[in-house]
Amino acid sequence: NAGVTQTPKFQVLKTGQSMTLQCAQDMNHNSMYWYRQDPGMGLRLIYYSASEGTTDKGEVPNGYNVSRLNKREFSLRLESAAPSQTSVYFCASSGTASYYEQYFGPGTRLTVT
Amino acid sequence: AQTVTQSQPEMSVQEAETVTLSCTYDTSESNYYLFWYKQPPSRQMILVIRQEAYKQQNATENRFSVNFQKAAKSFSLKISDSQLGDTAMYFCAFMKREAWAGSYQLTFGKGTKLSVIP
Repeated sequence: NAGVTQTPKFQVLKTGQSMTLQCAQDMNHNSMYWYRQDPGMGLRLIYYSASEGTTDKGEVPNGYNVSRLNKREFSLRLESAAPSQTSVYFCASSGTASYYEQYFGPGTRLTVT
Repeated sequence: AQTVTQSQPEMSVQEAETVTLSCTYDTSESNYYLFWYKQPPSRQMILVIRQEAYKQQNATENRFSVNFQKAAKSFSLKISDSQLGDTAMYFCAFMKREAWAGSYQLTFGKGTKLSVIP
């Protein structure tokens, strides 16, 4: 099993450009999450999806949109990238059986110049 | 809202020695989970250990154990017989135990960078 996969692994954008970060899980999990990790800040929740068809804001949602495409896939979109969005982005998922355990993808390092 | 504080930005330990990483948290919840995650240089987030707040017994996973003091809102991680592969960032994290089958959000501390010295 691949677990949680994220594409791309690295990306450089210019200010104002848009892009979508992709996340997929093959563990049949209901819940999926997007976090960002900045130096010295730990991980902070951007958006989450408790189940297919639902999404909710986390701690730092401004400047982002999400789509829960189906049970497997949860994408994060930056409509107009800003230098403040330079970060490492992690996707995670959790199931109902062990809902407290989140499985993380390998992360995407995004640089906005 | 919950907050998680890790007061040690960096620590080092000699190989085979024991080290303790500190974590305190603030919450008004009575039902929750606490976690320690490890992030090696590969960047992958790895769950090290979990503690349910309603359990008085401290969790243990091989060389990793916790000291959970609920009244003091303290949750420290002890690593015994430290190995070079333990070199990583360690994050303490909090999760509310929701009454409904919704989403379970993690609140992370800022992390402690642990270096194991040969």
